Amino acid sequence: DAGVTQSPTHLIKTRGQQVTLRCSPKSGHDTVSWYQQALGQGPQFIFQYYEEEERQRGNFPDRFSGHQFPNYSSELNVNALLLGDSALYLCASSFWGVHYGYTFGSGTRLTVV
Amino acid sequence: GDSVTQMEGPVTLSEEAFLTINCTYTATGYPSLFWYVQYPGEGLQLLLKATKADDKGSNKGFEATYRKETTSFHLEKGSVQVSDSAVYFCALIQGAQKLVFGQGTRLTINP
Repeated sequence: DAGVTQSPTHLIKTRGQQVTLRCSPKSGHDTVSWYQQALGQGPQFIFQYYEEEERQRGNFPDRFSGHQFPNYSSELNVNALLLGDSALYLCASSFWGVHYGYTFGSGTRLTVV
Repeated sequence: GDSVTQMEGPVTLSEEAFLTINCTYTATGYPSLFWYVQYPGEGLQLLLKATKADDKGSNKGFEATYRKETTSFHLEKGSVQVSDSAVYFCALIQGAQKLVFGQGTRLTINP
């Protein structure tokens, strides 16, 4: 049973560019959450998708946007990249409403130069 | 808002030593509490959880007790191994289904 799959694993972008990160949830999970983990810090919640709608959002600017597809997979888009966007981006999937069943992917390491 | 504070790291111990990593939280209601572990190059793995006061979560020799009176959820292990070397995150969740993490504690175990 595949867990959460994220792609790509590493990415280097230039300031001002746009990036799209992808996540396939664990089989059977219907909810996807995205987190940003800066170096040496704990993950910070970006947003959560369920039934193809953004259900919650953390304290991130509108440059961060997302999408969920009918097969529950999800994308995270970041526009106008800043150096400070360099981080590990983690995707977590779960069943809607279940607080302890989160499964995390290995993340996408984004470096902005 | 809700927050989690962990003890400053890094922590370095010898194999078979006793481990404690302190975690305290601030929350308005009754959160569920978690410890996650992150091995190098990997995502987060749930280590243990507790969903109400006085619950004890345990897994792989690690334990943590939900103490509402002290708003704490300290992680303990009686005898650590080299393979326990990782970064440990304390986290909470309440109502709004978003995990709130502490800053993490890097643990290194020397043989």
